[in-house]
Amino acid sequence: AQSVTQPDIHITVSEGASLELRCNYSYGATPYLFWYVQSPGQGLQLLLKYFSGDTLVQGIKGFEAEFKRSQSSFNLRKPSVHWSDAAEYFCGTGGFKTIFGAGTRLFVKA
Amino acid sequence: DGGITQSPKYLFRKEGQNVTLSCEQNLNHDAMYWYRQDPGQGLRLIYYSQIVNDFQKGDIAEGYSVSREKKESFPLTVTSAQKNPTAFYLCATSNGELFFGEGSRLTVL
Repeated sequence: AQSVTQPDIHITVSEGASLELRCNYSYGATPYLFWYVQSPGQGLQLLLKYFSGDTLVQGIKGFEAEFKRSQSSFNLRKPSVHWSDAAEYFCGTGGFKTIFGAGTRLFVKA
Repeated sequence: DGGITQSPKYLFRKEGQNVTLSCEQNLNHDAMYWYRQDPGQGLRLIYYSQIVNDFQKGDIAEGYSVSREKKESFPLTVTSAQKNPTAFYLCATSNGELFFGEGSRLTVL
């Protein structure tokens, strides 16, 4: 069965510092992988997705993620965090049925 | 504008009452989904529909019901059989990528 693990429940980063959010997946074949962001009380917005091809994927808002099959990981990165990036981030996998991790809440300190 | 409209945004219900959450889309997507979100648990799939007049149970369908009579609409009924209905409910559509509505927060008093 598919599963997604986000090991970090919350992370605090200083504004301007780099960010890496971890995501590990379990899937029998080449997975479809996604990262979504959610602001409080809102729906989710797609940041980026991986279906095939280049394993380094660029997304919106300066985010990128790298698919590493050997590590079953799809970590999200940003070189310099802005205060507006504070939100909850969800990793997901699957084709027709997307399964999500429990989420990582990002706090940004000045 | 194209999008997904969920209503109401906030809803209060007494125990033992059924309540229906609305989800309407004008994205012309065939697939629609209902997810439940609880703190620390991410999103869990309740029901999904690939096409009009067809729908399947997700991982936590007990205590919920849906219908898909029109492509644009996928209402979710939270029945009195749902033991812990207080949650944030998200509707989504898909064309290979999920698009989400703004959510409906249900509180049982």
